[in-house]
Amino acid sequence: EAGVVQSPRYKIIEKKQPVAFWCNPISGHNTLYWYRQNLGQGPELLIRYENEEAVDDSQLPKDRFSAERLKGVDSTLKIQPAELGDSAVYLCASSPGAGKGYNTGELFFGEGSRLTVL
Amino acid sequence: GNSVTQMEGPVTLSEEAFLTINCTYTATGYPSLFWYVQYPGEGLQLLLKATKADDKGSNKGFEATYRKETTSFHLEKGSVQVSDSAVYFCALSVQGGSEKLVFGKGMKLTVNP
Repeated sequence: EAGVVQSPRYKIIEKKQPVAFWCNPISGHNTLYWYRQNLGQGPELLIRYENEEAVDDSQLPKDRFSAERLKGVDSTLKIQPAELGDSAVYLCASSPGAGKGYNTGELFFGEGSRLTVL
Repeated sequence: GNSVTQMEGPVTLSEEAFLTINCTYTATGYPSLFWYVQYPGEGLQLLLKATKADDKGSNKGFEATYRKETTSFHLEKGSVQVSDSAVYFCALSVQGGSEKLVFGKGMKLTVNP
């Protein structure tokens, strides 16, 4: 079974440029998460989707960040314009979702997209 | 608020040494507790978990016991291997599952042969 797929793995851009990250969760997983991991820190939640609905976006800097999950499957996270402080690893994760009998509470993470803003 | 505090790293051990990674938490309600591991070049993956007080999670020779009285979830392994070299994250969730994981800063472990 394929895991969570993210792209690109690495991205280097100049400040004020836009950037987008893509995530394809594990098939059948209703819940999708975007986390940001700064160097030497643990991941911090940016946004959580249940199917196509964003149910927790309280940590998403909405002035420059946006996310979508139009059909409740894959998702895109966008930053426009990027700032130096946005340099980080952006992690996507998925889980079966509440109410699914096989939901063990585990999150399945992709390998991440490392962003460097110059 | 909810938070997790892990011992600072990095840590370097010799093969077959005993490992303890301390983790304490602050949470409202009754959290579930997790250890995630990130091997070089790979994504985060669940190592073990415990959902209530006195539960012991175990996997791959690692163990951690949910201690409510000391608000701790220390990770232990009796004899580490080179393949255990990774970054270890303690995490908690207070929404019944892992819907909103709060992570510690992580600790990098290197095991030398």
